[in-house]
Amino acid sequence: DAGVIQSPRHEVTEMGQEVTLRCKPISGHDYLFWYRQTMMRGLELLIYFNNNVPIDDSGMPEDRFSAKMPNASFSTLKIQPSEPRDSAVYFCASSLQGSYSNQPQHFGDGTRLSIL
Amino acid sequence: EDQVTQSPEALRLQEGESSSLNCSYTVSGLRGLFWYRQDPGKGPEFLFTLYSAGEEKEKERLKATLTKKESFLHITAPKPEDSATYLCAVKAGGTSYGKLTFGQGTILTVHP
Repeated sequence: DAGVIQSPRHEVTEMGQEVTLRCKPISGHDYLFWYRQTMMRGLELLIYFNNNVPIDDSGMPEDRFSAKMPNASFSTLKIQPSEPRDSAVYFCASSLQGSYSNQPQHFGDGTRLSIL
Repeated sequence: EDQVTQSPEALRLQEGESSSLNCSYTVSGLRGLFWYRQDPGKGPEFLFTLYSAGEEKEKERLKATLTKKESFLHITAPKPEDSATYLCAVKAGGTSYGKLTFGQGTILTVHP
């Protein structure tokens, strides 16, 4: 079975440019999560969706960040304008939760973003 | 606020030298504690879920245990291929349902 698919794997761009990261969750999963990982702060949850609806975006650092999930098989995380401090590895994860289940989150291999 | 602290930050072992990694947590209403393994350039890979104090789970050379305040990941007779970063995460109940809070991880290096 295909896992969580993220694209691109690497992105290098200049400060001020718009960056769009993409994620295809595992088919049938009803939760989707976006994380950012840095050496200093570890793995931080940015936002998560349930059935395509954003549930908690309290981890989104500022208004330059936005995320959408137009359908059950696709999500984007956009940074506009990008800044050097946004450089990090961004992970997408999905899980099948249901009402009371406790299934694990499954992660993609991430997008390594470098803002020059 | 949910908190997860892992120790040590890094651990270097000789092949065959057993040891343990610690994950201390503070959470309101634990719904589950998760262990993940992360290899360089990859996303975290799920290992175990523990739900209640006293529970244990095993997989090959790894055994995870849980108390009311901490979890241990025991590694028995490790091999070089066990080298990775091991992450611990907790899920709380209430309005944060679905959300995981991760620790900083323990970087494990096993030398042949």
